[in-house]
Amino acid sequence: DGGITQSPKYLFRKEGQNVTLSCEQNLNHDAMYWYRQDPGQGLRLIYYSQIVNDFQKGDIAEGYSVSREKKESFPLTVTSAQKNPTAFYLCATQSDRGNQPQHFGDGTRLSIL
Amino acid sequence: QKEVEQDPGPLSVPEGAIVSLNCTYSNSAFQYFMWYRQYSRKGPELLMYTYSSGNKEDGRFTAQVDKSSKYISLFIRDSQPSDSATYLCAMSAVDRDDKIIFGKGTRLHILP
Repeated sequence: DGGITQSPKYLFRKEGQNVTLSCEQNLNHDAMYWYRQDPGQGLRLIYYSQIVNDFQKGDIAEGYSVSREKKESFPLTVTSAQKNPTAFYLCATQSDRGNQPQHFGDGTRLSIL
Repeated sequence: QKEVEQDPGPLSVPEGAIVSLNCTYSNSAFQYFMWYRQYSRKGPELLMYTYSSGNKEDGRFTAQVDKSSKYISLFIRDSQPSDSATYLCAMSAVDRDDKIIFGKGTRLHILP
């Protein structure tokens, strides 16, 4: 079944803890993205990667880190430096064939304990 | 001026009505236009994808682009309670390195 899988669906972070959100895709898409969605603020780009072993900062990268060791996987780590991590995190993919739309996973809701 | 403006709503309409959702934008380089539907606690789902000006129809949905006015619309005919969701517009320019810019979304409620 083709698609984008984000896990876990819900995640809780303790003070000073790093947590990692998983994003896996089997669409064979080259580009992958991480967005943060807060009420009333829309989607804000955290990091993106257009090719394996390469990634770029988005508009709000501070307090986050990523890796792209495989085409299928683009995990996001929310570090303790991110002081306001409570949000809905969305992973998206995009084919490299021309100007194609992005496709989204079903998100991870991160909350602070 | 923000690149993409979208009224947050909420917009409440009775079942069976025609719904009109709109976005305005400021960047004349935008050529690709998208509409996404997002249910609560779910990721956005692509509804419509159009290039340049004109209309595109898919079932009960029609996307309309007016580049001269920098204005795009999504019409939903015979609206159903299952259409209740947040609708996000999105757009990008021609260069493959250009990012997709999203509107903040309009919350739509279809009243049974």
